[in-house]
Amino acid sequence: GDSVTQMEGPVTLSEEAFLTINCTYTATGYPSLFWYVQYPGEGLQLLLKATKADDKGSNKGFEATYRKETTSFHLEKGSVQVSDSAVYFCALRRAGGFKTIFGAGTRLFVKA
Amino acid sequence: DTAVSQTPKYLVTQMGNDKSIKCEQNLGHDTMYWYKQDSKKFLKIMFSYNNKELIINETVPNRFSPKSPDKAHLNLHINSLELGDSAVYFCASSQELGNNSPLHFGNGTRLTVT
Repeated sequence: GDSVTQMEGPVTLSEEAFLTINCTYTATGYPSLFWYVQYPGEGLQLLLKATKADDKGSNKGFEATYRKETTSFHLEKGSVQVSDSAVYFCALRRAGGFKTIFGAGTRLFVKA
Repeated sequence: DTAVSQTPKYLVTQMGNDKSIKCEQNLGHDTMYWYKQDSKKFLKIMFSYNNKELIINETVPNRFSPKSPDKAHLNLHINSLELGDSAVYFCASSQELGNNSPLHFGNGTRLTVT
């Protein structure tokens, strides 16, 4: 079945460091891919998405590129801030499917 | 102007009790969901309704029963609560069934069963 695998956390970085959170997926067909962010005490919010191969999603300085050949959708940010501390979820939704499948989440801590 | 709202935010109850969680969305979406998030932050879908029709019913105990009185509401009733039901329950909605539509989440209901 469809699945999403993310790097285990927590990830701890200093402010202004470069961030990469790895995400790979298994799915038939061409799913849409998403990154969601969850701040403490809140629900998940969409961070960015990509709907076809080689698409790049971007938002708030975060980027991820849909790589069909490596079935990956790694999240990157050039310079993290303390306010980026949160749990990040990679997710996929298959074309015509009803379900969004989430990875296990990666907790990010950014120190001042 | 809250998009997806859930009540209550916190729910503390004893084993064996029956409780309900309510969810409302004002986004005009056709599809609503219930997700369960465990203590390790793992998210698992429980149910989904599209235009008041049940379309996803994962392997959830019969003690959990969703009800959708209209497109804007999806409530979750839990009978005979057990310790293992303690988790954060999230309601979500999406605009359509297509794969491009992101989910919009409520802020969650933290259920603690003692």
